[in-house]
Amino acid sequence: QQPVQSPQAVILREGEDAVINCSSSKALYSVHWYRQKHGEAPVFLMILLKGGEQKGHDKISASFNEKKQQSSLYLTASQLSYSGTYFCGTEKRGGADGLTFGKGTHLIIQP
Amino acid sequence: DTGVSQDPRHKITKRGQNVTFRCDPISEHNRLYWYRQTLGQGPEFLTYFQNEAQLEKSRLLSDRFSAERPKGSFSTLEIQRTEQGDSAMYLCASSPLSEGGEQFFGPGTRLTVL
Repeated sequence: QQPVQSPQAVILREGEDAVINCSSSKALYSVHWYRQKHGEAPVFLMILLKGGEQKGHDKISASFNEKKQQSSLYLTASQLSYSGTYFCGTEKRGGADGLTFGKGTHLIIQP
Repeated sequence: DTGVSQDPRHKITKRGQNVTFRCDPISEHNRLYWYRQTLGQGPEFLTYFQNEAQLEKSRLLSDRFSAERPKGSFSTLEIQRTEQGDSAMYLCASSPLSEGGEQFFGPGTRLTVL
């Protein structure tokens, strides 16, 4: 089942904060976050593993609530370069299958 | 640069023709994935290799699609008898064997079927 992302779109001024949510109806092993700019490949941001381990970006943080099967990505003091579409990808088994991606959250940062 | 590379970057073909795409993963990565992405959607998983073994195939992958990874290095994705609905960006990603390995994507091959 495809994870559900919210909101669908966000418009911010540079320097403002944003939170993007991802929820799944199934038990998850991990949640991966990517940012994609138009016409480019998704770029890895962060991975959150069952049990609390996190790997990723030093300017972006995220949380993973295993019980609720939800993850949130926190973008603080947003920069113009943060604009793009953010996707969460969920994984049921560690590395043994592909990611199931949400429909994405479009983030526009204005000067 | 030692990232994931894909070739060609763009392919335009006529309906009914066969096409083949190539993906070269990051050299030390054992796992290789193929995804398809259409406009306004997230990538959809197609298939997964661990070394040369194809371990998972999505139900999205019809009989017209076949993928190989001989010798566990580069991979090819072939689409036979292309249809207009096959038009999409085909993305390849690779990851290390460790649990929780992040997947790194290549630039993709954009396929247009006329």
